[in-house]
Amino acid sequence: DGGITQSPKYLFRKEGQNVTLSCEQNLNHDAMYWYRQDPGQGLRLIYYSQIVNDFQKGDIAEGYSVSREKKESFPLTVTSAQKNPTAFYLCASGGQANYGYTFGSGTRLTVV
Amino acid sequence: AQSVTQLDSQVPVFEEAPVELRCNYSSSVSVYLFWYVQYPNQGLQLLLKYLSGSTLVESINGFEAEFNKSQTSFHLRKPSVHISDTAEYFCAVRTVNDYKLSFGAGTTVTVRA
Repeated sequence: DGGITQSPKYLFRKEGQNVTLSCEQNLNHDAMYWYRQDPGQGLRLIYYSQIVNDFQKGDIAEGYSVSREKKESFPLTVTSAQKNPTAFYLCASGGQANYGYTFGSGTRLTVV
Repeated sequence: AQSVTQLDSQVPVFEEAPVELRCNYSSSVSVYLFWYVQYPNQGLQLLLKYLSGSTLVESINGFEAEFNKSQTSFHLRKPSVHISDTAEYFCAVRTVNDYKLSFGAGTTVTVRA
């Protein structure tokens, strides 16, 4: 079945370490997105990519980096420059304009 | 640019009672509208969507939403909720020419016995 896979589901890291969250899709979608979710704050867009080898900053890109070397993959790196990285991270992909997004199951990152 | 406002952040409701979640949007061009549901510690799942045609759209689990262009609204309703409907619900909008969705802040529905 086609879908979008995020791994790992839970991630613990020490403060000051970079960490990379994986997102893979086999839906043949052109566009991919990363969101951060904190309690009571809805979804905030970190980065998005509409085509391979191209990506754009979202509303809260500081302290994060991404790459889009393959259509299927859009990994997110949370760097040590991110002041408050503990959050739930959601990856999504989108096809034609009228299909909305398909979301992964999320990665909960805890920095201690 | 488009935007979405969900008018209620929390909606407590008793089991078997009706529920309505309100969503208003703003856009200068034609839009597509979506409702997503998120259960705890999971991703968002598409509940229903309005693309064109009939303004009343339904999901397989009893939810319905009505697109009202004059009031720029897309409210979500269910005539009788179950405990399992406890979740967070997000309204989203995109224009016909843009890939990106704009999400509302979410409405948390808590169903009590």
